Amino acid sequence: KQEVTQIPAALSVPEGENLVLNCSFTDSAIYNLQWFRQDPGKGLTSLLLIQSSQREQTSGRLNASLDKSSGRSTLYIAASQPGDSATYLCAVTGSNFGNEKLTFGTGTRLTIIP
Amino acid sequence: DTGVSQDPRHKITKRGQNVTFRCDPISEHNRLYWYRQTLGQGPEFLTYFQNEAQLEKSRLLSDRFSAERPKGSFSTLEIQRTEQGDSAMYLCASSLSLTDTQYFGPGTRLTVL
Repeated sequence: KQEVTQIPAALSVPEGENLVLNCSFTDSAIYNLQWFRQDPGKGLTSLLLIQSSQREQTSGRLNASLDKSSGRSTLYIAASQPGDSATYLCAVTGSNFGNEKLTFGTGTRLTIIP
Repeated sequence: DTGVSQDPRHKITKRGQNVTFRCDPISEHNRLYWYRQTLGQGPEFLTYFQNEAQLEKSRLLSDRFSAERPKGSFSTLEIQRTEQGDSAMYLCASSLSLTDTQYFGPGTRLTVL
């Protein structure tokens, strides 16, 4: 059974700093990995999707890396802003046909201090 | 706005009542997913459809839960005889293919008193 872990559970950093969020998964047989952002009481916003054959994806100030063999992914946020404050979730899909569900971690609650 | 929509956004009900939620996916997406999220946890998979076919159901989906997607368009999730443990955010997502991002709706927050 796939298990996804995110450390730390909460993180506070001053505005302007670069930061890294971590995600690990127990079964390396994944199809892809997604990072999401969730604001309090709201739905999820997709940030980046990395296919299992890829090593990283970038979007603006965000960069996500994937090391499938070691079961790890990181989300790097450059020059953090107060608007980045949210919970960040990573999720993986299984590699076999029909196993399309996302398995989520419990998230990292990020607070950017102005 | 052509994103995923869910209705209602909030539902308060008494224990033992039945509730039904609706999800309208992005129009060309043939895959539709339901997840449940409790406070402080990541979403947990409930079930998913490819067109009108329900292809997978989680063991979380007890016999009090039923989901449909008639004609492969919108979907409904019904909970019968609600229990306090059913209180959660119910999230719907849709995607175009396995390799595509899953796009999430705003969720329906259910409170069972």
